[in-house]
Amino acid sequence: QLQLQESGSGLVKPSQTLSLTCAVSGGSISSGGYSWSWIRQPPGKGLEWIGYIYHSGSTYYNPSLKSRVTISVDRSKNQFSLKLSSVTAADTAVYYCASLFSLDGHFDYWGQGTLVTVSS
Amino acid sequence: EIVLTQSPGTLSLSPGERATLSCRASQSVSSSYLAWYQQKPGQAPRLLIYGASSRATGIPDRFSGSGSGTDFTLTISRLEPEDFAVYYCQQYGSSPLCTFGQGTKLEIK
Repeated sequence: QLQLQESGSGLVKPSQTLSLTCAVSGGSISSGGYSWSWIRQPPGKGLEWIGYIYHSGSTYYNPSLKSRVTISVDRSKNQFSLKLSSVTAADTAVYYCASLFSLDGHFDYWGQGTLVTVSS
Repeated sequence: EIVLTQSPGTLSLSPGERATLSCRASQSVSSSYLAWYQQKPGQAPRLLIYGASSRATGIPDRFSGSGSGTDFTLTISRLEPEDFAVYYCQQYGSSPLCTFGQGTKLEIK
């Protein structure tokens, strides 16, 4: 069973870059069948898909965030990362990493989430 | 761009009652790519249903999913106290590739 754990800075200043990492255990990030995703949830609001990286390295981003998002993989550490540039208060949210089962597009394993606050 | 609209926004029911939650898509969604999640306060979402009607591992059989095209339903046959939470539907494959509904809050009456 996969386990995912987010880590990174919980406080980011406006205009700076948010950086988070998701460590994967219980399976290889390089194995086929899964994509590795980021999803966020502003306080008191719903879920927003940010993007994912396929095991091949291909990336797919939400068009609303595409210009500011980079998702990458570090296979040697079995982890993947999120960078979101030029943040504003609207980017304050709980950020989740999750595994996307590629055959039918559902998120079956989730990290516990990490709150990132954008504030000076 | 596909939009998922969930109704009602809030559903007030008592334990033992039947809950019916709706998810309507602005365009047709492949049934293979429609999932439902449950989220409790302070927790990550939990997968309940995938492929519109398949229960995820460990999900009780009181949870069932149905529907096709643009109309999908999550049914909880007899509510247990632990079922009161927020429920989200999610589609995959149509632009913007992955979308969640805005959620239905199931609260105790």
